[in-house]
Amino acid sequence: DGGITQSPKYLFRKEGQNVTLSCEQNLNHDAMYWYRQDPGQGLRLIYYSQIVNDFQKGDIAEGYSVSREKKESFPLTVTSAQKNPTAFYLCASSILAASGTEAFFGQGTRLTVV
Amino acid sequence: SQQGEEDPQALSIQEGENATMNCSYKTSINNLQWYRQNSGRGLVHLILIRSNEREKHSGRLRVTLDTSKKSSSLLITASRAADTASYFCATDVGGDDKIIFGKGTRLHILP
Repeated sequence: DGGITQSPKYLFRKEGQNVTLSCEQNLNHDAMYWYRQDPGQGLRLIYYSQIVNDFQKGDIAEGYSVSREKKESFPLTVTSAQKNPTAFYLCASSILAASGTEAFFGQGTRLTVV
Repeated sequence: SQQGEEDPQALSIQEGENATMNCSYKTSINNLQWYRQNSGRGLVHLILIRSNEREKHSGRLRVTLDTSKKSSSLLITASRAADTASYFCATDVGGDDKIIFGKGTRLHILP
């Protein structure tokens, strides 16, 4: 089945550790996105990528890093520089936003700092 | 920065009534989309309206777009308990390929 898969569903991190969230899509989409969602809040854009080997910062990129070595994969690393990383992280993909196509979302990864 | 702002933040209505949610945005857009999120899950696309369209229907959903006022509304008719969810508007930022979401409206349908 075509879709977008995030793993793991739940992740626990000790303070000072880096962790990497996985996002894989088999929809052949060019664009991929990472969003952060805090309880009862909207989605805030962390990073997005329109093409392999290229990505741009969103509104809250500090403390995060990404790579786009393959079209189907867009992993997000939450670094120790991110002071408040506990949140729900959502990955999405689309053909291209400006072309007027919908974004498909994964089921999210809930990250908790312990 | 948030591109879209939904209004109201929360809405509770009786089953069978209509629910209306509004979205305002700041910059020019190519299209506007509405998404639904059940608690703790990913978002599901509901409907897309392009900047040259004024109204669009999909089943019990009706979306309007007023580019002069930079606003959109989502109407859900004959609401059902299963419509309980959060609803978000999202816009592309004109000339860019990022998709920006609003803060959402939490809709609760009372039995």
